[in-house]
Amino acid sequence: QVQLQESGPGLVKPSETLSLTCTVSGGSMTTYYWSWIRQSPGKRLEWIGYVFSSGTTNYNPSLERRVSISVDTSKNEFSLRLNSVTAADTAVYYCARDSSNYGEDAFDIWGQGTMVTVSS
Amino acid sequence: SYELTQPLSVSVALGQTARIHCGGNDVGSKNVHWYQQRPGQAPVLVIYRDIKRPSGIPDRISGSNSGNRATLTISRAQAGDEADYYCQMWDSGSVVFGGGTKLTVL
Repeated sequence: QVQLQESGPGLVKPSETLSLTCTVSGGSMTTYYWSWIRQSPGKRLEWIGYVFSSGTTNYNPSLERRVSISVDTSKNEFSLRLNSVTAADTAVYYCARDSSNYGEDAFDIWGQGTMVTVSS
Repeated sequence: SYELTQPLSVSVALGQTARIHCGGNDVGSKNVHWYQQRPGQAPVLVIYRDIKRPSGIPDRISGSNSGNRATLTISRAQAGDEADYYCQMWDSGSVVFGGGTKLTVL
């Protein structure tokens, strides 16, 4: 079955760029929507944005100025870049798959999550 | 922006029925999904499109959605049901999550 695995630095300095990659195994990325979701230490879940397998993106308006999500289907991975990070960006970052080929549905597969701390 | 409201905590006696509500303006006209999150683990989808169960989710877990409230119902509660539960929907092209409810099984 399809599995997701996040990877990237666990510590990022303030004002720098957070970069994470999600590797998809056990299935194709084609015709699915792939999202990044984060969870703050206070436990609230926040959707960051998605990328479709074609490269089309859609971002949370509250993060849109700082975020970029890209996909490389040949490597079976998609990536997140978040610029100008502050301590408020400290969270567990999850990648997840939208269950529908049409998007805007439930997230049926999640990665295990990776903790990212913003600190000098 | 749209908001989904959940109680911070719900308690249920072992073997009894727990109901976790998710409130939002006319939420009954939207598809609501529910996730279970145990400590230290990623969320797991337990109900999608209001009432559907993914494979592997027991039929003790059910959902409903009408008016201004969606509800996750857990019947015959077990110790293993103790977790945080989140409702989720899409609104105007963005994802909305409820704040989460901690379910305690007494």
